[in-house]
Amino acid sequence: NAGVTQTPKFRVLKTGQSMTLLCAQDMNHEYMYWYRQDPGMGLRLIHYSVGEGTTAKGEVPDGYNVSRLKKQNFLLGLESAAPSQTSVYFCASKLAGDSDTQYFGPGTRLTVL
Amino acid sequence: AQKITQTQPGMFVQEKEAVTLDCTYDTSDQSYGLFWYKQPSSGEMIFLIYQGSYDEQNATEGRYSLNFQKARKSANLVISASQLGDSAMYFCAMNPESNRLAFGKGNQVVVIP
Repeated sequence: NAGVTQTPKFRVLKTGQSMTLLCAQDMNHEYMYWYRQDPGMGLRLIHYSVGEGTTAKGEVPDGYNVSRLKKQNFLLGLESAAPSQTSVYFCASKLAGDSDTQYFGPGTRLTVL
Repeated sequence: AQKITQTQPGMFVQEKEAVTLDCTYDTSDQSYGLFWYKQPSSGEMIFLIYQGSYDEQNATEGRYSLNFQKARKSANLVISASQLGDSAMYFCAMNPESNRLAFGKGNQVVVIP
């Protein structure tokens, strides 16, 4: 039981390049989330999904797209990376209940030059 | 929109002593959940404790307890008998009816031997 995993762990991009971050969970969770964490800040929600085939915008969605084609996977895409997207990205998942805890992946450190 | 406030500067605590981390929140929702997460220097987000807004008793999990004062909209974390491994950032988060966690900016704790 791996929990929530993220690929890759580190990445350096040049401005304008694209990439996809992969999040996978093996806990049969319905909800999945993508956050970013910047220095001195808490986590800010980018996009989330309440089930396979559904996605919704969070607090800071601009410049990102997501897809949830399979229940266990949640992909975060950057079509044209900008230096402002340099951050640590966390994926999380949870069951569908209000009191259910979000469990986090280890994070991906992304640098955009 | 929900707002979580953690305003304490970095805190130093002597090993084996207790420390209280303040968290206040603002919401108009009647039903919500409050969470605390720990983020050590290695970067992962570790769930510590949960309190539901309708729970009558304060939550406890081992050395962690949550001092929940609903009327004052505060959910302070108490760590008893501090250990060196407790040195970390601690984040308060709220899960309103929308199932989207809102995070505070965190409290830094350093445990001194």
